Amino acid sequence: KAGVTQTPRYLIKTRGQQVTLSCSPISGHRSVSWYQQTPGQGLQFLFEYFSETQRNKGNFPGRFSGRQFSNSRSEMNVSTLELGDSALYLCASSLAGQQNYGYTFGSGTRLTVV
Amino acid sequence: GQQVMQIPQYQHVQEGEDFTTYCNSSTTLSNIQWYKQRPGGHPVFLIQLVKSGEVKKQKRLTFQFGEAKKNSSLHITATQTTDVGTYFCADRMDSSYKLIFGSGTRLLVRP
Repeated sequence: KAGVTQTPRYLIKTRGQQVTLSCSPISGHRSVSWYQQTPGQGLQFLFEYFSETQRNKGNFPGRFSGRQFSNSRSEMNVSTLELGDSALYLCASSLAGQQNYGYTFGSGTRLTVV
Repeated sequence: GQQVMQIPQYQHVQEGEDFTTYCNSSTTLSNIQWYKQRPGGHPVFLIQLVKSGEVKKQKRLTFQFGEAKKNSSLHITATQTTDVGTYFCADRMDSSYKLIFGSGTRLLVRP
């Protein structure tokens, strides 16, 4: 079956702009999480959605937001981009409630802010 | 907030040598998951440990969860060049639906 699909794969944006990233989870997976990966900070949790509801949010400023649609697809938005937002943004899906399952990550969106 | 520490940061071994990475926390870990990320790739789930003292094996990989659930380790026997990548541990906090990742150990294998 298809894995987690993230689009676009690469993005270059200018400071002050906003960006929207998309994630399609594995069919049947209703939990979608977002992570930011940078060389300095590693993998950091952004937020998690289940059935269109945000269940938890990481320690990121309000410029980072997300949503989930009824088909479990998710988007995250970053407004007023800063140079420090340059990172690999990873989406992960899982079978919510199945505690023995790991998370399946997408290939990520590489965002560069110039 | 909770922190998961992982050592070493880097390990460079000769093919055929063993490799171990350690994951430690000052607080009790909920469930430990291990992931492997190849260079240029994304994290791939390897295994989850839930019980105190649990040991699981996957071919040349052995995963352990400490008795006090404050540490975990991944040991690779007789490394191969295909083992190259960064290995992450992560605490799966079910009550908060998130993973707290360690900083990762980057494994390089000399052929």
